Order: sequence, then C-alpha cells, then structure tokens
Amino acid sequence: GAGVSQSPSNKVTEKGKDVELRCDPISGHTALYWYRQSLGQGLEFLIYFQGNSAPDKSGLPSDRFSAERTGGSVSTLTIQRTQQEDSAVYLCASSFADGTEAFFGQGTRLTVV
Amino acid sequence: GQQVMQIPQYQHVQEGEDFTTYCNSSTTLSNIQWYKQRPGGHPVFLIQLVKSGEVKKQKRLTFQFGEAKKNSSLHITATQTTDVGTYFCVRTSGTYKYIFGTGTRLKVLA
Repeated sequence: GAGVSQSPSNKVTEKGKDVELRCDPISGHTALYWYRQSLGQGLEFLIYFQGNSAPDKSGLPSDRFSAERTGGSVSTLTIQRTQQEDSAVYLCASSFADGTEAFFGQGTRLTVV
Repeated sequence: GQQVMQIPQYQHVQEGEDFTTYCNSSTTLSNIQWYKQRPGGHPVFLIQLVKSGEVKKQKRLTFQFGEAKKNSSLHITATQTTDVGTYFCVRTSGTYKYIFGTGTRLKVLA
C-alpha cells in the first residue's frame, strides 16, 4: 500500500480480554517494528522483525505480549489478558533493511476498561 | 540498548523566537535521525545525519551532528505555530532497531 496501515484505529476492551492489533507495512519493506506510546510519553520499543523472524523481542513487557509476522508482510501484535496499564497507543513502523527512515502507521489507541 | 537523552523536555516559545533541542549519547553513534510528532499524530522522519560534524538545513530547520558523534542538535529559526509538536532524535542499533530519544515537546504561543 501507499503507507503503513494499522487496524483498528481505536479499540476499547474489558480487562482480562485478549486483543489483536494488525499492521500492514509498506510493500517491499523487510523490517517491521512495534512501539508503545503512553499519553504524553516517548516511544517504547516492543519488538522488531526482519522478514518473518524476530531477532529482538527484548522490549515485550511480559509474556502476555506476543507478535508474529507472516509472508514477510502483515504483522499481528497480540495482548492476552489485558490489564489497564496496557492502555496506550500502539505504533507500527516499517523500513528497508538498511537503517534508512522508518515510516509509521497512524497507530491503534487501546483502552482497557 | 542505551537510550539517547534529550534536553529540554519541554519548551514554550513565543512565535518568531528561535528554538533548539539537544540530543546526547554516552556512546558513539553510527548515525542519528530526527523525527517530528504532531499532537495526536505519528512520528514523521525529518532527516538523517551520518558524518562527524555534519550540518544539514531544511528551510528554517538546522540539524547538526557533533564532531565526536555523541551529540546532535536541531535548531528552528523564527518558530511558527506549525512547528508545534514533539521532536525526537533516534539512534539505530546494529540491527537497525530505532531507539527513540526522550523527546522535546515544543509549544509555540501565537
């Protein structure tokens, strides 16, 4: 597509439920990144994919968080048994593998009530 | 990875005044990128600096990479209300993981 697409744009869920966030990167971008941004805060790195593999999962906050990428394209971030502290904007970005600019999606605003 | 610190955390300026944000690292950086995030928006790439002492300009914005490649700055001349947002410096690790600095939030008063 023309840009990085994330869905849904907004998600309200009850505490304890599972949620899936989707990211569709720019075609041809082999690298894909997930970040979390709490209100008024900076970007917290979660996970990075190169192709379908995730060489760096160090940012995942707990084992309730997981992510996968299939076909070197779409990625899904799953949060199990959501907690109120999971409320944030989840941003996805993609880039070529050479460390040039990263392109961000509009984000998914997750609210856990 | 080592986070990159930015100062100031917040800056309020009167429209027309200049603004500078500084980015500091304790380790040598291979390169530095700058991004701008408008309120309610997502980060947008501004520029990448690679060479020691490099200076690049984009209209009213001047970006500089320190001689030791451990610091960088972004200077905006004669701020406008459209400059409002948070400015992040970003370092890339060996695996091209983008590590965002702490950010400087700029408010411009008309």
